[in-house]
Amino acid sequence: AQKVTQAQTEISVVEKEDVTLDCVYETRDTTYYLFWYKQPPSGELVFLIRRNSFDEQNEISGRYSWNFQKSTSSFNFTITASQVVDSAVYFCALSENTGGFKTIFGAGTRLFVKA
Amino acid sequence: GAVVSQHPSWVICKSGTSVKIECRSLDFQATTMFWYRQFPKQSLMLMATSNEGSKATYEQGVEKDKFLINHASLTLSTLTVTSAHPEDSSFYICSASENPYNEQFFGPGTRLTVL
Repeated sequence: AQKVTQAQTEISVVEKEDVTLDCVYETRDTTYYLFWYKQPPSGELVFLIRRNSFDEQNEISGRYSWNFQKSTSSFNFTITASQVVDSAVYFCALSENTGGFKTIFGAGTRLFVKA
Repeated sequence: GAVVSQHPSWVICKSGTSVKIECRSLDFQATTMFWYRQFPKQSLMLMATSNEGSKATYEQGVEKDKFLINHASLTLSTLTVTSAHPEDSSFYICSASENPYNEQFFGPGTRLTVL
């Protein structure tokens, strides 16, 4: 069964600290996609990254980096030198073909960055 | 990135009335559109997957007669909440993608309040 676990409900850090948001997934498919989305207080979801199951290379985009490890079924997200504007809810999501494509979201991690 | 719009952005209605929410992909053709529901401080729950020209596929527990979905063109999907009741009050979010394995582009959401 498809499942995404974000064990951290809320994280609070002080500006400039690094923070890692954990994501663990379960799937029976060998082909699947993983995503991270940001939902700021305005409510609109913002796409951050997509990774397919055959690409385990880590990725860095500015202050954001992602660590994909199939061996532990994890797709963790790190924000370096956090800023107040990073405060939001972050969702990890998994997409696979289960008789029809659909994407399942984790419960989300609410990040508070204090000045 | 691609743009998805939703209309209206918020709506307040009386119990027993029906409400239609539109989701449009503005600069790409969306073969697949998804409808989600989000309660306060919770994750997105997939309600249904809609493919252009065919009937929507509803998730378990979602009443298809209550939540009517139409995907008549490659740029428009509508969700009609029929005979709305206060428990239907929620944040409804649509997303669209050209390819189900690609990133989904999310609309800004519609906040429905049923009095």
